[in-house]
Amino acid sequence: DAGVIQSPRHEVTEMGQEVTLRCKPISGHNSLFWYRQTMMRGLELLIYFNNNVPIDDSGMPEDRFSAKMPNASFSTLKIQPSEPRDSAVYFCASSTTQGRLETQYFGPGTRLLVL
Amino acid sequence: AQKITQTQPGMFVQEKEAVTLDCTYDTSDPSYGLFWYKQPSSGEMIFLIYQGSYDQQNATEGRYSLNFQKARKSANLVISASQLGDSAMYFCAMREGDTGRRALTFGSGTRLQVQP
Repeated sequence: DAGVIQSPRHEVTEMGQEVTLRCKPISGHNSLFWYRQTMMRGLELLIYFNNNVPIDDSGMPEDRFSAKMPNASFSTLKIQPSEPRDSAVYFCASSTTQGRLETQYFGPGTRLLVL
Repeated sequence: AQKITQTQPGMFVQEKEAVTLDCTYDTSDPSYGLFWYKQPSSGEMIFLIYQGSYDQQNATEGRYSLNFQKARKSANLVISASQLGDSAMYFCAMREGDTGRRALTFGSGTRLQVQP
């Protein structure tokens, strides 16, 4: 089975540009999570969806960040305009609420550098 | 207050020996789950092991076991027979509650280096 797929794997952009990160969750998973990892703040939740509906976006830093999940197999995280402090690794993870374990499986991450 | 605390920024272990990575947690929710993830230098997050708050026995997965002490609110990861490939960052994480918030809260991680 394919795992969580993220694209691009690496992104270098200039301050002020729009950045779009993409995620395809594991088929059959109904929860999707976006996390950000930085040296200063570690791993922190940005937003998560359950059955394509945003449930908790309290971790989204500000209005420059937006996330969508138009269907069960695709999600985007958009940063507009990007700033150097947005440089981080962005992970997408998915899980299923069927059963007790509900383990989150992570994608390989997108390493973002904003110059 | 920190929900997940990992007090060991770095650990060294000799190949083939066992090592314990510490994790303490803080929650008032009676139902929660504890997870350990491995992050090698390549950057991906790999799920290792899970312990539910109501589980009676400590979780085990191959060379990984979880020393769960509920009263102390600790969930230490034990890696037996360390291998060079075990060198990585290890993160402890918690999910609180059966419903509602399903996101994980992560600790700051422990960098493990296995020496030959």
